[in-house]
This record gives sequence, structure tokens and C-alpha cells, in this order.
Amino acid sequence: GAGVSQSPSNKVTEKGKDVELRCDPISGHTALYWYRQRLGQGLEFLIYFQGNSAPDKSGLPSDRFSAERTGESVSTLTIQRTQQEDSAVYLCASSRKGQGGYEQYFGPGTRLTVT
Amino acid sequence: TQLLEQSPQFLSIQEGENLTVYCNSSSVFSSLQWYRQEPGEGPVLLVTVVTGGEVKKLKRLTFQFGDARKDSSLHITAAQPGDTGLYLCGDDMRFGAGTRLTVKP
Repeated sequence: GAGVSQSPSNKVTEKGKDVELRCDPISGHTALYWYRQRLGQGLEFLIYFQGNSAPDKSGLPSDRFSAERTGESVSTLTIQRTQQEDSAVYLCASSRKGQGGYEQYFGPGTRLTVT
Repeated sequence: TQLLEQSPQFLSIQEGENLTVYCNSSSVFSSLQWYRQEPGEGPVLLVTVVTGGEVKKLKRLTFQFGDARKDSSLHITAAQPGDTGLYLCGDDMRFGAGTRLTVKP
């Protein structure tokens, strides 16, 4: 079946502009995660959605970051007034949390470059 | 904040050598996943360990989960260049910083 997809694969934007990143999870996966990965680094948790529960936003680094999810499908991560330090790969993952433990299936990521 | 620590941070070896990387936590893991990430791609799940003392094998990779479920190791036998990548351990949304493995032909 289809895996997690993300778009765009690459995004170059000017400092101060807003960007929107999209994630399409695996069908039937109730949990969805966003992570940030800076060059040569590990994964930094941003936000987590589980079904219809309130999202866990504890990893969002500032109020310039926000995310939404429509039901148990597509999610968008929005970064407002982008800064150069926002440059990173943004990874989305989905999971059948509650049924399959915490195993996550990742998309290929969106590489964001802020100039 | 519970931290996952991975060691070593970097490892460069020759093809055919064996290696072990480690993942440790100050608290008990509910379950632990190991992932491998290649450049330009997202992490790919290798294995999940759940039970203390558990050992799982995936071809040349052997995963062990500590009895107290606070540590885990990944052993690779006869490493190959295709094993090159970033090895991450994770417990739900907590991840270690990874071990970056390079296997030279």
C-alpha cells in the first residue's frame, strides 16, 4: 500500500515569508507526528495528533509554528515569518498507535531552506 | 524530560567488521524502536522490542533489550557498505540523536 507522502519535497523561501508543508499519512493510521531534523542532527519532536484528541503541541519551538489535521487524514504544518534557523528537513510520520505500539512510518520529508 | 542517549555518535569501520551501538534511557521504555535513515530519506523502521531481555535478529542485525527495559543495543555482524546510515532509537515521540555509521568498502 501507499506510504506516507509529503509535499513539497523541497521549498526555498525568503526570510519573513510564510510556508505550508503537507503530509498525507497512511490510510487507517490514527496517529500523526511532525519532526524537525537539522543537518546532521537527530529528530526534534514538534507536534502529535491522535484521533480526535487535542494535539500535543509541546514540541513547537515558537508561536510561529502551527499545525492542523483534518480528521484522520492530511495534516499541514505552517511556519509564519520564517527565519533562517527554521531551515531543516521537516519529517512527518504516522502510526497505528494503540494497535501497533509506537511504530512510526515516515515520509521522505520536506527540505526547507530559508534565505 | 526523559532523554534517550545513543553512543557512539559517529562510527567509521571497514567492510566485514562487527560493531555495536547503544541506546540508553534514564527511565523505562514502554517499547523501543530502532530505525535506519539514509541520506535524503525518512527513517525506516527496523525492529520493535517490548519485553525485557528480548533478542531479535534481522539478517546480520541483532537487537537486544535490557532486562530492566532501560537500555538496548544493536549489533551488526560483517558490516557492509549498504549498512551505512543514521541509526536512531525511539520510544514514541522521543528519539536519540542517533549513531552515524559509515562502512568503507
